[in-house]
Amino acid sequence: NAGVTQTPKFQVLKTGQSMTLQCAQDMNHEYMSWYRQDPGMGLRLIHYSVGAGITDQGEVPNGYNVSRSTTEDFPLRLLSAAPSQTSVYFCASSRRMASGNTIYFGEGSWLTVV
Amino acid sequence: AQSVAQPEDQVNVAEGNPLTVKCTYSVSGNPYLFWYVQYPNRGLQFLLKYITGDNLVKGSYGFEAEFNKSQTSFHLKKPSALVSDSALYFCAVRDDSGYSTLTFGKGTMLLVSP
Repeated sequence: NAGVTQTPKFQVLKTGQSMTLQCAQDMNHEYMSWYRQDPGMGLRLIHYSVGAGITDQGEVPNGYNVSRSTTEDFPLRLLSAAPSQTSVYFCASSRRMASGNTIYFGEGSWLTVV
Repeated sequence: AQSVAQPEDQVNVAEGNPLTVKCTYSVSGNPYLFWYVQYPNRGLQFLLKYITGDNLVKGSYGFEAEFNKSQTSFHLKKPSALVSDSALYFCAVRDDSGYSTLTFGKGTMLLVSP
């Protein structure tokens, strides 16, 4: 069972470069989201999507773009990388946004911006 | 706005002793509460959740949690700790509106000594 798959696992970027973190899920989940994890700050929501063609901002959306053209994929784009975006990024999905559904996480993408 | 507090950055316990990891929350409406565990360099794994019903919820790996509405708490417990339980634990909350994203606490590192 693949679940939620993120690529790449590790990436080093130079300031100002752009890149896309890929996320795919094979569970036919409607709800997908991106979080970033920083030491002492827990996980903070960047963007989320409740279905194909629908996205919305979370707590820390600045500097990131998302799109949801298919149910399976939810890529996160860094437009112009900054050192403050050095973090661990997690993609997550659940059946629906409804409150009781368990959210499942990918294995994470470690990003360093130099 | 909803929030989660995990008052302890770190909990130390000896193997075989009971463990408790504390979590308090604040939401409008009814809470839906989750515990996740993260092992080093891995994604978050779902442990258990409270949606409704019995206040004592049992989950994976022998963990359980007790929902206490009057104290707005959802503490994670295990009767006998294992060294392999050493990890980072996150409490998370959603409200019951059906449109609520998942808000995480900052995490508690559990260290179980042999």
